[in-house]
Amino acid sequence: KNQVEQSPQSLIILEGKNCTLQCNYTVSPFSNLRWYKQDTGRGPVSLTIMTFSENTKSNGRYTATLDADTKQSSLHITASQLSDSASYICVVSFRDNYGQNFVFGPGTRLSVLP
Amino acid sequence: DAGVTQSPTHLIKTRGQQVTLRCSPKSGHDTVSWYQQALGQGPQFIFQYYEEEERQRGNFPDRFSGHQFPNYSSELNVNALLLGDSALYLCASSSSGQLNTGELFFGEGSRLTVL
Repeated sequence: KNQVEQSPQSLIILEGKNCTLQCNYTVSPFSNLRWYKQDTGRGPVSLTIMTFSENTKSNGRYTATLDADTKQSSLHITASQLSDSASYICVVSFRDNYGQNFVFGPGTRLSVLP
Repeated sequence: DAGVTQSPTHLIKTRGQQVTLRCSPKSGHDTVSWYQQALGQGPQFIFQYYEEEERQRGNFPDRFSGHQFPNYSSELNVNALLLGDSALYLCASSSSGQLNTGELFFGEGSRLTVL
């Protein structure tokens, strides 16, 4: 069964600190992995997209890694800011005869405190 | 270039009523997917529309139906509303022509409250 798991479920850090969020998946055949940021009550916004051959991708203070062998990904946030408080969702996609399919993780709720 | 737009942004209904939510995809996108997101949960896939047909469907009852128009915009209809249908309904658009790195853009969602 195609599944995406994320840990921790929630995380509280102080402003300026770094943190790492984890994503494990069992999606097959793998197409790509995306990290989204979702502010409360808003739509998710894409942070990074990685294909099978990519190990690391950065977007400002956000750095995503992918280990396709172990089927794990991480999202590292550097020098956190109050505006980083949001849910971070890992989405893994696969293709079939109908096109791309997306499997969503439950998300990690990050709270950055002053 | 407008992104994905959804309407209405908020609405309140009572049990047993029917609701219609609307979505306009990002320019150049031809595929629309709908998701239900309960509070504190990740989005759950409802269905996907391409070429005006339902192409895939998640584990949702027939009370949830949809439509895609020739201009690629889409509607989500929910009949006989239940309290458990209260959620944020997200629309996402993508392009069937894109390969593995195809983007999936989300709208801001429609917040449905069923009383």
